Amino acid sequence: GESVGLHLPTLSVQEGDNSIINCAYSNSASDYFIWYKQESGKGPQFIIDIRSNMDKRQGQRVTVLLNKTVKHLSLQIAATQPGDSAVYFCAETPPYNFNKFYFGSGTKLNVKP
Amino acid sequence: EPEVTQTPSHQVTQMGQEVILRCVPISNHLYFYWYRQILGQKVEFLVSFYNNEISEKSEIFDDQFSVERPDGSNFTLKIRSTKLEDSAMYFCASSQLGQGGEGYTFGSGTRLTVV
Repeated sequence: GESVGLHLPTLSVQEGDNSIINCAYSNSASDYFIWYKQESGKGPQFIIDIRSNMDKRQGQRVTVLLNKTVKHLSLQIAATQPGDSAVYFCAETPPYNFNKFYFGSGTKLNVKP
Repeated sequence: EPEVTQTPSHQVTQMGQEVILRCVPISNHLYFYWYRQILGQKVEFLVSFYNNEISEKSEIFDDQFSVERPDGSNFTLKIRSTKLEDSAMYFCASSQLGQGGEGYTFGSGTRLTVV
């Protein structure tokens, strides 16, 4: 199967700081990636996505960077807030298949006040 | 904002029993999915469903599993004879166009505990 993994299981940051969450993927042919946020007791919630023909995409306080050379994805959260505390997953779709996602292991983000 | 609704939120069942997990997808969505997440592990794809049939399934989705859309609103996952290792959080998802993005929406999950 596909292999999507995360470098750090837990990340602690001070409120107001920027957070960077990293993810490695294994299939160089994957062409669509998503970051999800999962709060306790809830399902994955879409944050931002990126296609393989881009290397950067910005949303509200979030930026996703894609480095296809080293098969690396990152999520940057600006001015991290307590409400950002959650587990963050990257996910990829197999080539030409948007029907399913392969999820990474997740990084728990703790925002300290 | 439209939601995917799952019931029950928590189900406890005896090993060997059948369970049915229920989902109400977003009303104008045409593609339906089940995922599971064993405690502390990755979210894993189980099955996708479109036009009243399975379009894709993973190796996890063996003969013990089945899905059904019994009426115009519900989408169910049945496990025929539960095993201890079926204990997990089960997420339903739906999408309108069979694509990713914000339109691919997950429910809050059903926690299944097999004892």
